[in-house]
Amino acid sequence: KNQVEQSPQSLIILEGKNCTLQCNYTVSPFSNLRWYKQDTGRGPVSLTIMTFSENTKSNGRYTATLDADTKQSSLHITASQLSDSASYICVVSSDWGSQGNLIFGKGTKLSVKP
Amino acid sequence: DAGVIQSPRHEVTEMGQEVTLRCKPISGHDYLFWYRQTMMRGLELLIYFNNNVPIDDSGMPEDRFSAKMPNASFSTLKIQPSEPRDSAVYFCASSLGRGGYTFGSGTRLTVV
Repeated sequence: KNQVEQSPQSLIILEGKNCTLQCNYTVSPFSNLRWYKQDTGRGPVSLTIMTFSENTKSNGRYTATLDADTKQSSLHITASQLSDSASYICVVSSDWGSQGNLIFGKGTKLSVKP
Repeated sequence: DAGVIQSPRHEVTEMGQEVTLRCKPISGHDYLFWYRQTMMRGLELLIYFNNNVPIDDSGMPEDRFSAKMPNASFSTLKIQPSEPRDSAVYFCASSLGRGGYTFGSGTRLTVV
């Protein structure tokens, strides 16, 4: 069964600290993996998209890694800010040719405290 | 571009009533998606369109749900009759080809 599991479910960190969120998937075949940030009351916003051949991609203070062999991805946030408080959702696509084959994780809720 | 625009932002309705959610995708995008998000199940794809044509509606929970896209700039998701278990946040998203999605801000539906 195609699944995307994220951990931890929630995380509290102090402003300025770094953190890493995890995503494990069992989706096959694999096409690409996306990380989204969802602020409370808003729709998800894309942070990164990685294909099979990419093992790291950065977007400002966000760096995503992908290990297609172990089917794991991580999202590292550097020097966290209060505005980083949000849910982070890992999404895996099983078929580049079909837009409907996205499997969503349930997200990690990050709270950054002053 | 104003992004994907959804209306209303919030809807409270009584069980049994018809509910219509609206979406205006980003101009030029050829894919449109309807998602439902709940705490228990996360984001779930309901249906998606390509060039206004429904491609996959296997995620639509039951016949009470229907979606239309009469033109490239407008789509509706209708629930008739609504039930309390339909309470969720409904998102519309659009994309150009197979690129990243742009989500709207969602409609929070409460059925009492």
